[in-house]
Amino acid sequence: GENVEQHPSTLSVQEGDSAVIKCTYSDSASNYFPWYKQELGKRPQLIIDIRSNVGEKKDQRIAVTLNKTAKHFSLHITETQPEDSAVYFCAARPSGSARQLTFGSGTQLTVLP
Amino acid sequence: DGGITQSPKYLFRKEGQNVTLSCEQNLNHDAMYWYRQDPGQGLRLIYYSQIVNDFQKGDIAEGYSVSREKKESFPLTVTSAQKNPTAFYLCASRGYNEQFFGPGTRLTVL
Repeated sequence: GENVEQHPSTLSVQEGDSAVIKCTYSDSASNYFPWYKQELGKRPQLIIDIRSNVGEKKDQRIAVTLNKTAKHFSLHITETQPEDSAVYFCAARPSGSARQLTFGSGTQLTVLP
Repeated sequence: DGGITQSPKYLFRKEGQNVTLSCEQNLNHDAMYWYRQDPGQGLRLIYYSQIVNDFQKGDIAEGYSVSREKKESFPLTVTSAQKNPTAFYLCASRGYNEQFFGPGTRLTVL
């Protein structure tokens, strides 16, 4: 089955700096890659996703890049703010409606004021 | 989120008791999921259902049971066979691609 590895497990940045979180996946059939943000005690919220026919996607300060050949994808947050502090999860899902999301282990991002 | 509700928000259980966690969605999604999250950990899949009256075990199904009698509802029962049930339980549903989570139920065994 699919295996998703996520790095780093913790990340601290100064407010205004950029943050990058990286994930690798094992199943070459995976074609959908969402990112979730989870604040303490809350539900994971979908913040951005990318499909395998696209190499990069941006939404304001957030961007995701995908390298299908290397089987890795990354989340980029620019101009970080204290409210960006949360746990971020990457995930991957192979094609086919019956396939499930496999989640990475999460990255605790702390934005220092 | 938005159209997925879970109840109760907090649940306390005595050892040896079965408890049922509710999950309802009004998004007309066919697929629904149950995940368990332990403190500082990721999301582990317990059970999932692709369609009414059908469900499959996930990675950690032992000690849990589910039913899917209606499209909108996917309740999870934590049985006494689950030896370490204290955790945060998240329900989710999926449309074509996007998967959304409910607000979660925090279960504590006393």
